[in-house]
Amino acid sequence: EIVLTQSPGTLSLSPGERATLSCRASQSISSAYLAWYQQKPGQAPRLLIYGTSSRATGIPDRFSGSGSGTDFTLTISRLEPEDFAVFYCQQYGSSPWTFGQGTKVEIK
Amino acid sequence: EVQLVQSGAEVKKPGESLKISCKGSGYRFTNFWIGWVRQMPEKGLEWMGIINPSDSDTRYSPSFQGQVTISADKSISTAYLQWSSLKASDTAMYYCATINSGYFDFWGQGTLVTVSS
Repeated sequence: EIVLTQSPGTLSLSPGERATLSCRASQSISSAYLAWYQQKPGQAPRLLIYGTSSRATGIPDRFSGSGSGTDFTLTISRLEPEDFAVFYCQQYGSSPWTFGQGTKVEIK
Repeated sequence: EVQLVQSGAEVKKPGESLKISCKGSGYRFTNFWIGWVRQMPEKGLEWMGIINPSDSDTRYSPSFQGQVTISADKSISTAYLQWSSLKASDTAMYYCATINSGYFDFWGQGTLVTVSS
């Protein structure tokens, strides 16, 4: 099973700042098979990025994904008030599919 | 518009059985696999398993194999997650979602299952 480790656990930033979230895999993942989700309190997760860098429908271009092999990054270029949430990465290249433990982006 | 609507919250006792549902609309139900994801209180997301509604081909995460049963009825565009004997540790929010090449595309609103004596 591929273990995904997200860092940091919590990121405290102000609106307008840049957020950089990391997702490290225990084994190499094809870049075609890494996704990112956003979850706000009391809501279902929402797909942000698939295939490492493709934005899902309706996702603003301030969200971008990059990486390869075992190291992947979600970047939010300028945080908007509605962006504060928990973010999860997920690999779907190897069964069982697995999620990272999440990074909380909170308002500083 | 793709929508997945899940059944309502459940409160059950240990040892009881339960079947929760996930009804798809706004798309051809048999075009996409459906997956189930568990989220225990204040915890992260866990993939449980997936089903192909067109032929009921089912795959389970090893962590959930034998613990739950996933099924679907394509005639009514509905997928199911069921337990034969609930435990307190099954207390969680359960989400269904459409699968697109392995990522979870559209999500249901979640079903909260509480198991308590």
